Amino acid sequence: SYELTQPLSVSVALGQTAKITCGGNKIGAKSVHWYQQRPGQAPVLVIYRDNFRPSGIPERFSGSNSENTATLTISSAQVGDEADYYCQVLAGSTAVFGGGSKLTVL
Amino acid sequence: EIHLVESGGGLVKPGGSLRLSCAVSGLTFTNAWISWVRQAPGKGLEWVGRSKSKTDGGTIDYAAPVKGRFIISRDDSKSTVDLQMYSLKSEDTAVYYCASDYGDYLDDWGQGTLVTVSS
Repeated sequence: SYELTQPLSVSVALGQTAKITCGGNKIGAKSVHWYQQRPGQAPVLVIYRDNFRPSGIPERFSGSNSENTATLTISSAQVGDEADYYCQVLAGSTAVFGGGSKLTVL
Repeated sequence: EIHLVESGGGLVKPGGSLRLSCAVSGLTFTNAWISWVRQAPGKGLEWVGRSKSKTDGGTIDYAAPVKGRFIISRDDSKSTVDLQMYSLKSEDTAVYYCASDYGDYLDDWGQGTLVTVSS
């Protein structure tokens, strides 16, 4: 089965740029999607198909995907960006999630 | 605006059964794919399964851990997708979400319903 690897935690200073990675075998050949989940809330799609933002998601959120690593980039990080972030791909007919990364804004 | 509302969660004994329902509004349900995703307490997201629209073949897909124990069905007349769960185990304890499925990503999500499997 296909596996996605994310760092457990990522820290960023207020106003700086955070990068959250998602590793997978030849993930660059797949479409990667990212979800934000604040405590006690349902997940929210923030990036789909590598680097598309749903309506209502700030331009500060962007994505990239190449070879064996996909990256979610959050520029000018704000306190409100503190959350768990999950990457996801489709492997065959199965949706696969990464283990999630907790973003802390210092 | 798209809304998904899950219901049916609760406490069930190991080996028992439970049926969850997802009510969908704000989109053309007959064309919609709906997925179920669960999240065990303090853990990450785990995809459970998917109902494709009848226009796209009506296929039901399941994740390996639930295949043979869970059944997904849809009622286009009511705009609902149900998740029937059998032979429940403690490891099935989780918040269960339904979400609109665009084939590769999940867009709108419900708020979830908690299922607790415990004696």
